[in-house]
Amino acid sequence: AQSVAQPEDQVNVAEGNPLTVKCTYSVSGNPYLFWYVQYPNRGLQFLLKYITGDNLVKGSYGFEAEFNKSQTSFHLKKPSALVSDSALYFCAVRDKGNYQLIWGAGTKLIIKP
Amino acid sequence: GAGVSQTPSNKVTEKGKYVELRCDPISGHTALYWYRQSLGQGPEFLIYFQGTGAADDSGLPNDRFFAVRPEGSVSTLKIQRTERGDSAVYLCASSSQGSHNEQFFGPGTRLTVL
Repeated sequence: AQSVAQPEDQVNVAEGNPLTVKCTYSVSGNPYLFWYVQYPNRGLQFLLKYITGDNLVKGSYGFEAEFNKSQTSFHLKKPSALVSDSALYFCAVRDKGNYQLIWGAGTKLIIKP
Repeated sequence: GAGVSQTPSNKVTEKGKYVELRCDPISGHTALYWYRQSLGQGPEFLIYFQGTGAADDSGLPNDRFFAVRPEGSVSTLKIQRTERGDSAVYLCASSSQGSHNEQFFGPGTRLTVL
């Protein structure tokens, strides 16, 4: 069965420091991987995705994520955090040919000035 | 351009009542999805439409839940005999055809069953 784990409920980072939000997954085939962000009282917004090719993918707002097949991970990163990055971040996975997205429970990112 | 819209934004109903939740996808998107999100959890898949037909309804929790998309655009999620456990935020998303495409989400409908 497909699954996604976000091992940290909350991540605290000082503004200007690098941030990492962790995600590991389990799928039977080759995965499509996604990161979304959810701000309070707003819908989920797409950040980036891995389909194939380069393991490092770049997305919106300066975020990037690294696909690691051997570790089945897709951690979200940003070199220098902003206070405005504070939000809830979700990792999601889908098997090729399968349209269901399977979601992690989310990680609350808090950036302190 | 216009994104995915959902109405109503909030719905309060009594146990046992019938509710309808509406989703208006991005124009031209053939794929439409319904999810349910409870507090502190990630979205839970309910149903996926490709055009007018439900291609995957395996996430619907029971036969009280039903969804339609008669003209391949707007979709309605229908819940009969609502229960308190149905309280959640119901999210709609749409995408271009292709499982590699990202889904674009609406703001959700917060359903509260008293």
